[in-house]
Formats: sequence, structure tokens, C-alpha cells
Amino acid sequence: DADVTQTPRNRITKTGKRIMLECSQTKGHDRMYWYRQDPGLGLRLIYYSFDVKDINKGEISDGYSVSRQAQAKFSLSLESAIPNQTALYFCATSDWGTDQPQHFGDGTRLSIL
Amino acid sequence: SQQGEEDPQALSIQEGENATMNCSYKTSINNLQWYRQNSGRGLVHLILIRSNEREKHSGRLRVTLDTSKKSSSLLITASRAADTASYFCATDHGGATNKLIFGTGTLLAVQP
Repeated sequence: DADVTQTPRNRITKTGKRIMLECSQTKGHDRMYWYRQDPGLGLRLIYYSFDVKDINKGEISDGYSVSRQAQAKFSLSLESAIPNQTALYFCATSDWGTDQPQHFGDGTRLSIL
Repeated sequence: SQQGEEDPQALSIQEGENATMNCSYKTSINNLQWYRQNSGRGLVHLILIRSNEREKHSGRLRVTLDTSKKSSSLLITASRAADTASYFCATDHGGATNKLIFGTGTLLAVQP
């Protein structure tokens, strides 16, 4: 979905480095989400945010932090990267209300050596 | 974990055939959604079925929901090579969060 942009698309880094993944959206949605995808495990929720002042932990938040800088921007940080955080990371947005679909960016492929 | 299960994990069919994939979940839902993921891309929403609905259609897609069995199926009719992708179900278990729990996915290969 071109309305949800993730940068970078690919990143290779070393253990112990601090990494920030960025997400911006032009859909005007208040709700934003970060997921990680591992082979055979589907998507798992890391953090989600319903507005600029709202941050919530998801299923697997340990080792990650987020910042909601504006309605349109939601970044994910790995303070000290470790190899088992190697994965595909997705940002998504959704509108308010029930029965809302989520709209995904094209992902960031992160490799930690 | 509440993560849903999908089967089969992989499915290979010929163009023109129908493809059926199934999803099971563990706790009551508000709605169930199906998404498609092409290789190297993000997920794209296909269809949403509410807990009080039993069947829904969208083009060549047909989704059924059986809340008594906590299961759903996605049928793609007259498949095309362009349908080759991974398909995920995702369940919304209610509340104000709109959080989704994703299944493990079915990899569909449509041979031309």
C-alpha cells in the first residue's frame, strides 16, 4: 500500500547497534501498528498506538521501543540489536471504529549479524 | 498464544482450479479478516466477515465462518497465476483496540 511508507526497505547491521525503522502514512489514520514476521509464525504485534499520546505494548515488545512523533509517523527502535531480532518488520494503519481493515507498508527486511 | 492456525501450510494447483484454505482460532471473535501477501510485499486486505455473518463474497473470493467450530474458510474460484501468494487469516477479538491476531498463513502456488 503506497499510502504507508517504510524506510529503510533493507538493513544489515551488527549485534549491539541501535536501529530505527520509520513508518509514515498519508491515509489520515489515527491507529498505527508495528509487527514482525518470521517464517512459519505469521505476524506478531510489537507495539500499537491510537494517537500521538497513546503507546501500547503488543505481544512481543521486549527489546523494542516506539515513538509516535506525529499522527502520520510511527518509528520502531531496537536499542541494542541481537541476532534473533532478524526478521521482516511491517507497519500498518487503520481507521477508527469497529470492523476496520489494516493497511500495510511493504516492510523492512532487517538482518543482524 | 492465541495465534490462529491455517491449513494447509502450502497448496499447489493448476490455473482454473479452485483453491480452499482454512483457518481456525481459539477464542470468540468480533470479525475475521483475510489478507494476501505477495513475495517481498506487505499484506493486502481481501475481505472481512463479521461474527454474525456466515458467508461473504467478493469477486472470485468466498469466505465462510462457523463460529461454533471457531473456523473459517477462503475459497478462490477459477484461480490464476497472479493469485500465487501467501494468504493469512486474522481475527479481531473485540474491544476498542482493533488489534488483530494473525494465523500462520497458507502459501498458494498456481501453476500456469
